[in-house]
Amino acid sequence: AQSVTQLGSHVSVSEGALVLLRCNYSSSVPPYLFWYVQYPNQGLQLLLKYTSAATLVKGINGFEAEFKKSETSFHLTKPSAHMSDAAEYFCAVSRMGGYNKLIFGAGTRLAVHP
Amino acid sequence: KAGVTQTPRYLIKTRGQQVTLSCSPISGHRSVSWYQQTPGQGLQFLFEYFSETQRNKGNFPGRFSGRQFSNSRSEMNVSTLELGDSALYLCASRLHGEQGAGNTGELFFGEGSRLTVL
Repeated sequence: AQSVTQLGSHVSVSEGALVLLRCNYSSSVPPYLFWYVQYPNQGLQLLLKYTSAATLVKGINGFEAEFKKSETSFHLTKPSAHMSDAAEYFCAVSRMGGYNKLIFGAGTRLAVHP
Repeated sequence: KAGVTQTPRYLIKTRGQQVTLSCSPISGHRSVSWYQQTPGQGLQFLFEYFSETQRNKGNFPGRFSGRQFSNSRSEMNVSTLELGDSALYLCASRLHGEQGAGNTGELFFGEGSRLTVL
């Protein structure tokens, strides 16, 4: 079975500070991993995805994530936070080669302070 | 290219009623999935359709059902509504039905239909 754990339901940073959102996964098969962002009253937007190619994945809006198999982690980072990054972030896992079913983490709400 | 369109965006129902939500996928996308989002349970997979066939189903009671039409548009229905069915229902579309070397399973989400059950 697959599962995702996001450490920290709320993270607060200052504008310009490093953003680090943690995600650990559990999967008995090689996974695909995703980070999605959700702004208020909107759907989910894909930030980046890991698909067994490069372990360091770059996404939109300056975000990146590193797949670490030994740590079963896929943490999301951004060097310098912007006010517009305030949103809820979801880590998700799906199974390679299987039908489409994303397992989501509980989400991390990011607040950015001036 | 238009995104995933969901209608209605907001609706209010009372317990015992039923509701139908509609989803139009991105043009050319033949796979449509539905997710329920609630503060308590988070994002949970409901079901996926491809070529008018349900390919995968989450752990929801039989009151939750769906279908897909030949033009890939999808509807989901919830009968005998309960208070706990209040949620944001998200539809997502994908290019292909099966994942493989050229398909990562990337989903494109609509803005959702927010259902309130009173």
